[in-house]
Parts: sequence; C-alpha cells; structure tokens
Amino acid sequence: DADVTQTPRNRITKTGKRIMLECSQTKGHDRMYWYRQDPGLGLRLIYYSFDVKDINKGEISDGYSVSRQAQAKFSLSLESAIPNQTALYFCATSDFGSEETQYFGPGTRLLVL
Amino acid sequence: GQNIDQPTEMTATEGAIVQINCTYQTSGFNGLFWYQQHAGEAPTFLSYNVLDGLEEKGRFSSFLSRSKGYSYLLLKELQMKDSASYLCAVPSGGSYIPTFGRGTSLIVHP
Repeated sequence: DADVTQTPRNRITKTGKRIMLECSQTKGHDRMYWYRQDPGLGLRLIYYSFDVKDINKGEISDGYSVSRQAQAKFSLSLESAIPNQTALYFCATSDFGSEETQYFGPGTRLLVL
Repeated sequence: GQNIDQPTEMTATEGAIVQINCTYQTSGFNGLFWYQQHAGEAPTFLSYNVLDGLEEKGRFSSFLSRSKGYSYLLLKELQMKDSASYLCAVPSGGSYIPTFGRGTSLIVHP
C-alpha cells in the first residue's frame, strides 16, 4: 500500500463550487504539506502543518484553506473554485530532523471550468 | 528569500552522460535536494547534499559547492527511463521547508 494517498485522483468542477482534496499518510510523519504544480512554474507551497495543532500559510494560500484532522490526515479546500486553480495538487509529508526528505502523494489533477 | 535557477530543458543520447546544473541564493543553508519527477507522477527523492563535494549513488551523482551556491546532478549511462523532470530544492534557513526550482526536463533519445 502507498505511504501517502490522495483522493480524488482526478476532479472536474465548476467555477464557484466548494471542493475538498484529501491526503492520508501511514508514514507516521508529523509534518504535512500541500503544493500545486503548474507547467513552467514548478511546485509551489500552499499550506503546511508541523503537527495537529499547527497550520501555516505557504507562498500561495489565497483562495485555499486546510484542516489537519489527525496526524495522518491533511485536507485542502477550495472554498469557491476558480479556473486559475486548475492544476496538479500534491500532498507531501516529512519527518522532523536534519534532512527532512519530502514524500509525495500521487497527486490530484483538478480542472475548474 | 530563495532564488533557484536551473535550465528548462536538456536533451541527451541513451548511454551518454548529462550534467544538470542548479544555482541558488538563500539566506540560510540547510542542504540541497534533487528530486526526479516523471510526467504526471509524484516527485521522488534522489539525493541530499549538505557538505561540499560529490555524492555518488549508482548511476546518479550530486555535487555541491556552498561557496558558489551551485550544485549539479550527474546522470551516467543514460537510459530511456531517465527521461523526466529533475527538481532542485533548497530548504529555507530555519524551517527546512524546501523551495523548488522550476525543474529541468530531460529528454533521452535513442
């Protein structure tokens, strides 16, 4: 079984709809992240959480919110989706320490019409 | 802040050697990562350098010069499956959260 899973894997929605992307991990890591990836722009950090009671904004948090329901679960919400939020979304985890390699989920491909 | 620069695209021949460069500017250095990402898939960890010098892992090696703000990823004996995007990532000082470069798309042709 995959260590980091994301649901759904693909989603098509309409402008103005609220949607939630979910991430679960079995790695036992405290730290979780949400990124979006757009062609030519690389991976950009949306939100991150260092433990269950910790939520921090990343580089591009406007239009997004998150919830850390448990150590293993970190959800990303788009309150009112807009077309420029069409992107590939990745969840990642890391373990606190000097190296902190990131482990990525398989990604959610989101299309906002 | 972070500023990471790497070439957008490179092409190489199967069996050859290719070097992918990354230059960075950072306010505090906590190491440098290289990740591999095949089209439509998740990035996967390749290497981590925190000290100057060359680290070798099979066909892949990564080099770091902290004084020059420079790293490269060296891929030897290229295979078709090495066609992917290679992401350079530098954690920001203090938080260890990486900032990713835009990635270098490597195309390996026969």
